[in-house]
Amino acid sequence: GAVVSQHPSRVICKSGTSVKIECRSLDFQATTMFWYRQFPKQSLMLMATSNEGSKATYEQGVEKDKFLINHASLTLSTLTVTSAHPEDSSFYICSAIRTSGNYEQYFGPGTRLTVT
Amino acid sequence: SQQGEEDPQALSIQEGENATMNCSYKTSINNLQWYRQNSGRGLVHLILIRSNEREKHSGRLRVTLDTSKKSSSLLITASRAADTASYFCATDAGGGGNKLTFGTGTQLKVEL
Repeated sequence: GAVVSQHPSRVICKSGTSVKIECRSLDFQATTMFWYRQFPKQSLMLMATSNEGSKATYEQGVEKDKFLINHASLTLSTLTVTSAHPEDSSFYICSAIRTSGNYEQYFGPGTRLTVT
Repeated sequence: SQQGEEDPQALSIQEGENATMNCSYKTSINNLQWYRQNSGRGLVHLILIRSNEREKHSGRLRVTLDTSKKSSSLLITASRAADTASYFCATDAGGGGNKLTFGTGTQLKVEL
């Protein structure tokens, strides 16, 4: 159990458009989900904490109006990159914590975003 | 938040040899975790060691934790080509929120 999926796995979009990435916990409920971004050959940087039914908490330096997060249910969080620019091109990874469990984070397979 | 550092940044060994990766961090922690990432993929949780533990084993993996030095090591014994991946340590500082701070990672290449 404890499978997290992301959709899409890859997306290419043009500058100025918006892109939505979904993160789903397939076989468990997740009150809390996290969104990370990762540049090539670098580590994961936490962007924001997504809590079901409340506003996301953003890390310092992350623009909340640019990276919109919605955690509308216990199994789904979405990240929308608004007015995307080439510098937003990155690997975006989500993780989820079971509502009832040992607080281990289960990671999704990631979404490769390329902005042209 | 500041990240921990891992060394070496890259490690290349022969199959059958042992691989050791080190992680240093800056703040007090509740636990430290090790993850593996294959190129362009998500993360796989390997092992969690709590702040009151000093050593933990899981199969061919051995993790140590020295909270006085704020450091941890991951040892993979009898490595296999399939162990080729990036390995990250991540610290949970506690205080609620379950946020993880990732280290810079070690790229391990195991050659036949």
